Amino acid sequence: DAMVIQNPRYQVTQFGKPVTLSCSQTLNHNVMYWYQQKSSQAPKLLFHYYDKDFNNEADTPDNFQSRRPNTSFCFLDIRSPGLGDAAMYLCATSREVSGRAGDTQYFGPGTRLTVL
Amino acid sequence: QQQVKQSPQSLIVQKGGISIINCAYENTAFDYFPWYQQFPGKGPALLIAIRPDVSEKKEGRFTISFNKSAKQFSLHIMDSQPGDSATYFCAASSRSGGSNYKLTFGKGTLLTVNP
Repeated sequence: DAMVIQNPRYQVTQFGKPVTLSCSQTLNHNVMYWYQQKSSQAPKLLFHYYDKDFNNEADTPDNFQSRRPNTSFCFLDIRSPGLGDAAMYLCATSREVSGRAGDTQYFGPGTRLTVL
Repeated sequence: QQQVKQSPQSLIVQKGGISIINCAYENTAFDYFPWYQQFPGKGPALLIAIRPDVSEKKEGRFTISFNKSAKQFSLHIMDSQPGDSATYFCAASSRSGGSNYKLTFGKGTLLTVNP
């Protein structure tokens, strides 16, 4: 009954080699988020999709891109990973928001990215 | 304005004791205050949440106390157990562009419950 699924759970890439992380959800939520979490730090929002509308955080590097081909799937593309991009990448979803509904974000288990 | 300040950074409690983690915020537009629990190597999981129209919410051993005038909220874990050992994040959300909500996280508290 997994709700937010991330693949792979562990990803190793080489410095500068593009990598794609994937997230899928069975909740049929309209909003999907990507966070970066470094060791002993809080999750940092990179961007999110509200349906097909992409919302980038102002301080997210251009090196990070995202695609959402349909409601269920969302991808994080790192075009040229640097050593500083090694982190846990978390995907989250939330329900259609209206009024006070939809605040709860449900997180996936994360993908641990290692950059060699 | 968008910060959520969390303390302490780490906390050690004996089994059966009470764990208390505090958070404070500045942005009065925040209208939803969740707590997330994160075990090593896992994603954060929603533990309990409160809205500013109530001063306290209890779910089992977990209680949120909310002080709207002081702009503070806290998590109390009663009868703490070794299985509660994890990192706890407080968060707050506000509307961020259109119909989207954005979570602002505290920096986290590493809780260790000794047997």
